Amino acid sequence: DGGITQSPKYLFRKEGQNVTLSCEQNLNHDAMYWYRQDPGQGLRLIYYSQIVNDFQKGDIAEGYSVSREKKESFPLTVTSAQKNPTAFYLCASSQWANYGYTFGSGTRLTVV
Amino acid sequence: KNEVEQSPQNLTAQEGEFITINCSYSVGISALHWLQQHPGGGIVSLFMLSSGKKKHGRLIATINIQEKHSSLHITASHPRDSAVYICAVSPSGGSNYKLTFGKGTLLTVNP
Repeated sequence: DGGITQSPKYLFRKEGQNVTLSCEQNLNHDAMYWYRQDPGQGLRLIYYSQIVNDFQKGDIAEGYSVSREKKESFPLTVTSAQKNPTAFYLCASSQWANYGYTFGSGTRLTVV
Repeated sequence: KNEVEQSPQNLTAQEGEFITINCSYSVGISALHWLQQHPGGGIVSLFMLSSGKKKHGRLIATINIQEKHSSLHITASHPRDSAVYICAVSPSGGSNYKLTFGKGTLLTVNP
């Protein structure tokens, strides 16, 4: 079945370490997105990519980096520069704008 | 003020009740999405609509573009409907890849 796979589901990181969250889709979607979810807040866009080898900053890109070397993969790196990285991270994809979105199951990152 | 406002924030219902969740937005949109998030965290897209009404099983979504308002209805609610329901909009214009989300409505359906 087609879908989005995020791994790992839970991730613990020590302060000062970079960590990479994986997102893979087999839907042949062109666009992919990373969102952050904090308690009591709506999802906020970190980065998005409309096509391979291209990506744009979202509303809260500081302290994060991404790459889009393959159509099916859009990994997110949470760097040590991110001041408050503990959150729930969701990856999504869509064929193009205003088409249906598919979301992954999320990765819960905890900084210890 | 958030661009997307949902009400109520929390909703508790008895099994079988008819449920309505509301979403108001303040920007021009090209589409509105209703999403469902279960306790595990994964999100499922329920509806995407730009006008009128859509129905899927016991779920009905309506939108009034002039009033900038959408509603999600659940008929004959069931405990398995317990989840967070999220409204999101795709702004019209060049940034329509970027969804803006409401904070969600936590629905609890008791048996």
